[in-house]
Amino acid sequence: RKEVEQDPGPFNVPEGATVAFNCTYSNSASQSFFWYRQDCRKEPKLLMSVYSSGNEDGRFTAQLNRASQYISLLIRDSKLSDSATYLCVVNYPGRRALTFGSGTRLQVQP
Amino acid sequence: EAQVTQNPRYLITVTGKKLTVTCSQNMNHEYMSWYRQDPGLGLRQIYYSMNVEVTDKGDVPEGYKVSRKEKRNFPLILESPSPNQTSLYFCASSPGTTGQPQHFGDGTRLSIL
Repeated sequence: RKEVEQDPGPFNVPEGATVAFNCTYSNSASQSFFWYRQDCRKEPKLLMSVYSSGNEDGRFTAQLNRASQYISLLIRDSKLSDSATYLCVVNYPGRRALTFGSGTRLQVQP
Repeated sequence: EAQVTQNPRYLITVTGKKLTVTCSQNMNHEYMSWYRQDPGLGLRQIYYSMNVEVTDKGDVPEGYKVSRKEKRNFPLILESPSPNQTSLYFCASSPGTTGQPQHFGDGTRLSIL
């Protein structure tokens, strides 16, 4: 089983739609969680950290479910510019590195 | 401007010809790391460094070397490149050692023929 698993997609949604991605992680002791965004052939960029109580940044909402070991990202009112690959990132205790999922591709269509 | 700078951005070379990809950050970050990204495999860590003169292997270190003589620089060395090292490479840095988001360079696309 992969340490961090994501549905690769693509998720094709119309502009204005609400879309949600999930990501599961294997180690229940994981401590830090992030969502990164990566545009085609560009570097990953931090979208938002994920906090235990859930957090929101504009149209983006991140949730953490420790019991089921998944994190989610909800995007409301999708824009064409949201088209990208979204990477789920987890920090494992005792590991001096972040572990990246393979990403979920989102394509927002006009 | 805070940034991580990689050079070169693109390189096509031949098997066995030693090459170095440089990485420099201007944020005084302690932690630096190299990743490679391949289709379907996501980002995989090659090597990382907790601080000057402290380096360690990541998940896929074979065929690579690194050094950390200064805090700002973390070059990636391919002593004898092979075609299976054709990939997109990213350097990243963060203030602390673990659990903090990383800042990435623009990437280096290497093709080994």
